[in-house]
Parts: sequence; structure tokens; C-alpha cells
Amino acid sequence: EAGVAQSPRYKIIEKRQSVAFWCNPISGHATLYWYQQILGQGPKLLIQFQNNGVVDDSQLPKDRFSAERLKGVDSTLKIQPAKLEDSAVYLCASSQLAGRDTQYFGPGTRLTVL
Amino acid sequence: AQSVTQPDIHITVSEGASLELRCNYSYGATPYLFWYVQSPGQGLQLLLKYFSGDTLVQGIKGFEAEFKRSQSSFNLRKPSVHWSDAAEYFCAVGARGANNLFFGTGTRLTVIP
Repeated sequence: EAGVAQSPRYKIIEKRQSVAFWCNPISGHATLYWYQQILGQGPKLLIQFQNNGVVDDSQLPKDRFSAERLKGVDSTLKIQPAKLEDSAVYLCASSQLAGRDTQYFGPGTRLTVL
Repeated sequence: AQSVTQPDIHITVSEGASLELRCNYSYGATPYLFWYVQSPGQGLQLLLKYFSGDTLVQGIKGFEAEFKRSQSSFNLRKPSVHWSDAAEYFCAVGARGANNLFFGTGTRLTVIP
């Protein structure tokens, strides 16, 4: 079974530019998560989708971050405009269901904002 | 709200030695508990999880963890460490009825020959 796919793997941008990350979850997984992992910290949930609806986006900085999951499969996370403090690894995960179901993580996208 | 503390930022062990990584959580009820491992440039891989029942949980790669309610702990153990175990280890807690996980700050494991 193919795992969670993410692209790009690395991205370097200047502050105030925009950037987008893409995630393709494991086939059949209804729940999709985006996490932000700052260097030296554990992952922090940004947003969770159940199919194509948002379940939890309480930690998403909505003034600059946006995410969508059209058709309940692939998802895109966008930052516009980026700030220096957005430098982090952005992890996508998916699970069959929410709650106690195991989350499977992609390799992440490492973002550097200069 | 849930929280997780991993008091050891970095641990060094010799290959073949035993290992214990500490994890303490804060949550008002019995949580879901997880241990993930992250190798450089890789995503997180689930080692084991606890939901209910037997408090000693067996995972992949020879790891085990024990849930101790009285100590609010879920420490990860391995009797004999291999060089390939060098990685970052994250403990996470999930609330029953909720959706997301709260991760600790991680423990980096170095294995010396």
C-alpha cells in the first residue's frame, strides 16, 4: 500500500512570498491532518479534515494560512504571505477514521523562509 | 487540555544496552497514548499505541511501553538497542472523543558502537 505523499520535499522562499504544499493521503483514508513541526519541537496540529469538511482548524493562523481538500482526497496548504517564523517542516498525515485510529505520516515539506 | 512532557532532550546509549525513554502526560481521564519514531528526513512512524486493557504494550522493532496511571507515565523501553534505532522519538496523547494528537518535544537517541 502506498504511503502518504507530499510535495515538494524542500522549499526556500523570501518573507512575504506565498507558498503551497500538496498532500495525497493513503487511499480510502477519510481523515487528513496538517501538522507544523518547528525545529526542536513536536508536531502541532494546524488543521484536520474529515472527507472534504474541516473538523478542527483552531490552531491555524487564518490570516495567512489556508487549506482545502477538494473532493475529499488531495489537500493543499497555503501560506500567504510567509513570515520568518513559518520556517518549519509541514507534515501531512491521514487515518481511516478520526480519534483512536492510527495516523500515518508523510515525509514532510521543509520550508525555509529567508 | 492535554499535554505531554518528555524530560530528556537527548540520550546516548551504547549498542546492545537497554533503553528507557520517559513520557509524562497531563489529561483528566484515560487518554490514548502513542509513541512515534522519526528518522532524519522521514515522516513519523508509529511504534506502538495504548487505548485500553493490558497496560504493557508491545510494538514494532522490539519496543514496548507501559502505561502507569498513578504516575501519568507511558515510558518506552527496549532491552537491547541497535545502531539503527538512532532517531527522534515522540510521545503523543489523544483525548477520547477528540480528534487530534498532542506531541511532546521529542527525545533524540544517539547509539554509540
